[in-house]
Amino acid sequence: EDQVTQSPEALRLQEGESSSLNCSYTVSGLRGLFWYRQDPGKGPEFLFTLYSAGEEKEKERLKATLTKKESFLHITAPKPEDSATYLCAVQAANTGNQFYFGTGTSLTVIP
Amino acid sequence: GAGVSQSPSNKVTEKGKDVELRCDPISGHTALYWYRQSLGQGLEFLIYFQGNSAPDKSGLPSDRFSAERTGGSVSTLTIQRTQQEDSAVYLCASTRSGADNEQFFGPGTRLTVL
Repeated sequence: EDQVTQSPEALRLQEGESSSLNCSYTVSGLRGLFWYRQDPGKGPEFLFTLYSAGEEKEKERLKATLTKKESFLHITAPKPEDSATYLCAVQAANTGNQFYFGTGTSLTVIP
Repeated sequence: GAGVSQSPSNKVTEKGKDVELRCDPISGHTALYWYRQSLGQGLEFLIYFQGNSAPDKSGLPSDRFSAERTGGSVSTLTIQRTQQEDSAVYLCASTRSGADNEQFFGPGTRLTVL
């Protein structure tokens, strides 16, 4: 069964303290892995799409990487405004239209 | 240049009543998704519309749930005979075309069934 697991569930960082969020997945033929940011009371906001192992993408303090089994979202020198829930989703070759979402990592950055 | 909009933002209903949730996708986006997000759960796929093709209804949890998309634009998710376990945030997302592009999400409708 296709599955997406995110860890940790929650993470508290001091401002400037870099860290990584993990998304491990088991799907039959990955079509794409997506990272989203979700603020309280809002819908998820797209961050990155990764398609193949070895691929990396960056945006400001965020960098996403992909291997054959997992993806990492690296946060460098985070700021309080980076506090949010980060969601990972995968799309599999054999399930066409569906996206499988993890339960997210709730990140809190303390000033 | 509006994003995806959903209405109502909040809906409180009594068990057994029917509810309709509305989604207005971004203009020109041909694909539309409905998801359910319960506390502590990941987003749960409900249904997918792509252009004029038959919708992918494989995620609908029961026959009390249905959805339609009129004119390839606005979509309505209907839940009949609501149950307390239907309480969740219902999110709609649209994409430019196809199923493998970034999804633009609406703010969601928070449904509470008393």
